[in-house]
Amino acid sequence: DSGVTQTPKHLITATGQRVTLRCSPRSGDLSVYWYQQSLDQGLQFLIQYYNGEERAKGNILERFSAQQFPDLHSELNLSSLELGDSALYFCASSLRPTANTEAFFGQGTRLTVV
Amino acid sequence: AQSVSQHNHHVILSEAASLELGCNYSYGGTVNLFWYVQYPGQHLQLLLKYFSGDPLVKGIKGFEAEFIKSKFSFNLRKPSVQWSDTAEYFCAVNAPSNTGKLIFGQGTTLQVKP
Repeated sequence: DSGVTQTPKHLITATGQRVTLRCSPRSGDLSVYWYQQSLDQGLQFLIQYYNGEERAKGNILERFSAQQFPDLHSELNLSSLELGDSALYFCASSLRPTANTEAFFGQGTRLTVV
Repeated sequence: AQSVSQHNHHVILSEAASLELGCNYSYGGTVNLFWYVQYPGQHLQLLLKYFSGDPLVKGIKGFEAEFIKSKFSFNLRKPSVQWSDTAEYFCAVNAPSNTGKLIFGQGTTLQVKP
């Protein structure tokens, strides 16, 4: 158990819908990252938050947004869902927002868009 | 843009065979390097990391990796694999150093036959 909790574990939804994925970081970690794992794109960095502020942005679509709340949990919102958004979404957390730090990953949320 | 390349997509070995998984990255500056493992149905776990110092890094479960700066490589090795090493292995680079985001390789699926 990494200490990073993601809910739900599985999500099936229809095209055009909106979903919210939730992540609770390890106790004491201030930085949260979101990654998308798909068969064709592999593991891709989406976005990073540190202490409530956006720290770095990757190839995150405009239909996707995220935030980190005062209690440090984070939510990834995916809207106007398309079939191609079906993937495994991982959250990770680390103590510091910079390099030289180990990130701990959650079990992921498997999103299926039908 | 930074990228990470893993040479082998699928490796099949018999128990007790030696393992070497290749990883090359494209980034000319200071990098931090990682190998993560993903066992079936589980989250990504850190095997080992290189930040600085001795380029030969030892990790958990008997794995080691060697950082060769001149070759932009960080290959993973294990002298004798076990059936329980069956998993997917990801090489990752963390750069630039002011964020903790990871750039992952495509992953290598290792299947160890008993």
